[in-house]
Amino acid sequence: GAGVSQSPSNKVTEKGKDVELRCDPISGHTALYWYRQSLGQGLEFLIYFQGNSAPDKSGLPSDRFSAERTGGSVSTLTIQRTQQEDSAVYLCASRPVGVNEQFFGPGTRLTVL
Amino acid sequence: GENVEQHPSTLSVQEGDSAVIKCTYSDSASNYFPWYKQELGKGPQLIIDIRSNVGEKKDQRIAVTLNKTAKHFSLHITETQPEDSAVYFCAARKSSASKIIFGSGTRLSIRP
Repeated sequence: GAGVSQSPSNKVTEKGKDVELRCDPISGHTALYWYRQSLGQGLEFLIYFQGNSAPDKSGLPSDRFSAERTGGSVSTLTIQRTQQEDSAVYLCASRPVGVNEQFFGPGTRLTVL
Repeated sequence: GENVEQHPSTLSVQEGDSAVIKCTYSDSASNYFPWYKQELGKGPQLIIDIRSNVGEKKDQRIAVTLNKTAKHFSLHITETQPEDSAVYFCAARKSSASKIIFGSGTRLSIRP
């Protein structure tokens, strides 16, 4: 079946502009995660959605970052007034109820000039 | 907050030899420890995991060990092959309702 998809695969933007990154999780997966992976670095947790519960936003690095998940499916990560240090690969993962494994998408490579 | 440390950051082994990657975690309430493999240009993929009520788990050439007292867990890959070359991440989680905290990753290279 279809896996987690993310769009765009690559995004180049100018400093100060806003960007939106999209994640389409696997159908039926109730949990959705966003991570940031800077060049050669580990996975930095950003935000976690679980069903109808309030999201865990504890990883968002600043108030320029926000995310929403509409209808318990598609999620959008928004970065306002982008900075060069926001350049990274943004990964999305989803997980079904009762399963530990997270299924990752291919990521969106964001470059802020 | 919860922290996971991973060593080494890079590892090069001869094909056929074994590779060991080690992690430590800070939160004693952690009870689930997955390992993910990330190939170039792809998202990470789960390769093996272990729960805190088990000390060791093996799947073919891959094994994971857990020492709850020391808060250490390790990934062991035996008879390494070229396709094992990738970045490996350890992680820890407290409960199914909690976020997973990942280590910083180990870039494993297998020399022919």
